[in-house]
Amino acid sequence: DADVTQTPRNRITKTGKRIMLECSQTKGHDRMYWYRQDPGLGLQLIYYSFDVKDINKGEISDGYSVSRQAQAKFSLSLESAIPNQTALYFCATSAGLDRTDTQYFGPGTRLTVL
Amino acid sequence: AQSVTQLDSQVPVFEEAPVELRCNYSSSVSVYLFWYVQYPNQGLQLLLKYLSGSTLVKGINGFEAEFNKSQTSFHLRKPSVHISDTAEYFCAVSSGTYKYIFGTGTRLKVLA
Repeated sequence: DADVTQTPRNRITKTGKRIMLECSQTKGHDRMYWYRQDPGLGLQLIYYSFDVKDINKGEISDGYSVSRQAQAKFSLSLESAIPNQTALYFCATSAGLDRTDTQYFGPGTRLTVL
Repeated sequence: AQSVTQLDSQVPVFEEAPVELRCNYSSSVSVYLFWYVQYPNQGLQLLLKYLSGSTLVKGINGFEAEFNKSQTSFHLRKPSVHISDTAEYFCAVSSGTYKYIFGTGTRLKVLA
């Protein structure tokens, strides 16, 4: 079984709809991240969480919110989806030891907003 | 502020030929550098990382990278590529606040 799972894997929605993307991990890591990937732009950090009570905005948090329901679960919400939020979204985890941490990525969720 | 620049967006190369994917960084603090690979329809996975010590770092699948402080580079190399190496490769630097800054990626296309 995969260590980091994301649901759904693909989603098509309409402008104005509320969407939730979910991430679960079995690695026992404290740190979790949400990234957005756009062609030619690489990965941009949306939100990150160092533990259940510590949630921080990343570079591009506008229009997004997150919830850390437990150590193993980190959800990303789009309160009112817009077309320029069409992208590939990745969840990642790390052990939180130091700056040398490896990040472990989920398989991604491809979101299309019409 | 830290940044990462991947100079090539796409690199086509024939099977069994060598390849180099370029990465340059800027940082005012100690540098920790990473290369991640993303195979089609998958998430990113770690290829190798430079933390300290030897400037030549060996990773999985026959890849290696050389840290060059004077040129602020961390180029990825493989002496002989396979079709299965077709993927997107990301260079990243670990920032002082335990976050990563990723480059824009280089798409490696291995041709038969």
